[in-house]
Amino acid sequence: GQNIDQPTEMTATEGAIVQINCTYQTSGFNGLFWYQQHAGEAPTFLSYNVLDGLEEKGRFSSFLSRSKGYSYLLLKELQMKDSASYLCAVRDSNYQLIWGAGTKLIIKP
Amino acid sequence: EAQVTQNPRYLITVTGKKLTVTCSQNMNHEYMSWYRQDPGLGLRQIYYSMNVEVTDKGDVPEGYKVSRKEKRNFPLILESPSPNQTSLYFCASSSTAGTGFSGANVLTFGAGSRLTVL
Repeated sequence: GQNIDQPTEMTATEGAIVQINCTYQTSGFNGLFWYQQHAGEAPTFLSYNVLDGLEEKGRFSSFLSRSKGYSYLLLKELQMKDSASYLCAVRDSNYQLIWGAGTKLIIKP
Repeated sequence: EAQVTQNPRYLITVTGKKLTVTCSQNMNHEYMSWYRQDPGLGLRQIYYSMNVEVTDKGDVPEGYKVSRKEKRNFPLILESPSPNQTSLYFCASSSTAGTGFSGANVLTFGAGSRLTVL
């Protein structure tokens, strides 16, 4: 079966750095997405990786290793507004998105 | 403003009373999809549509119907709702569901519809 694993919850301190991991086992691979979802709101797109390596976008970076079935989202200089759930999703061989359950990130002052 | 609009945002209904959740997008997107989101579970796809008059089952289609008679609209129909369909529902669209990434395959989500079936 297809599976996306990410930690259920993480806690970090304002101003610090946090890394959210995602491992996947899917039938085929056509890219990996990270979305941010604030409580009660719609998911919004953060990043996309299709080749191995690091993609940097401001305070957020995303890394992919296809051989290991692994990705991480790195958030730097954490702000209170970064408190949200972070969803990892993989596009499979049928170009459908398989979603992880999300990681709830709690930021403490 | 480019957006996906869902209605109603909140609904409490009773078992067996047919209901429709509407979804409309103004971005001329070909691909549209419905998801449900439950605590502890990821987004699960109910149905999707690659284009007008083309719909396919997702992972959890039982108890739901959809139609895609025009490009902008993709309603979700619950013919006989049951309590296990209590959930948060999201409609989403993207330009296509094809290969590659040019910014065209990012999903845009509606604000969500919270449905409670008693």
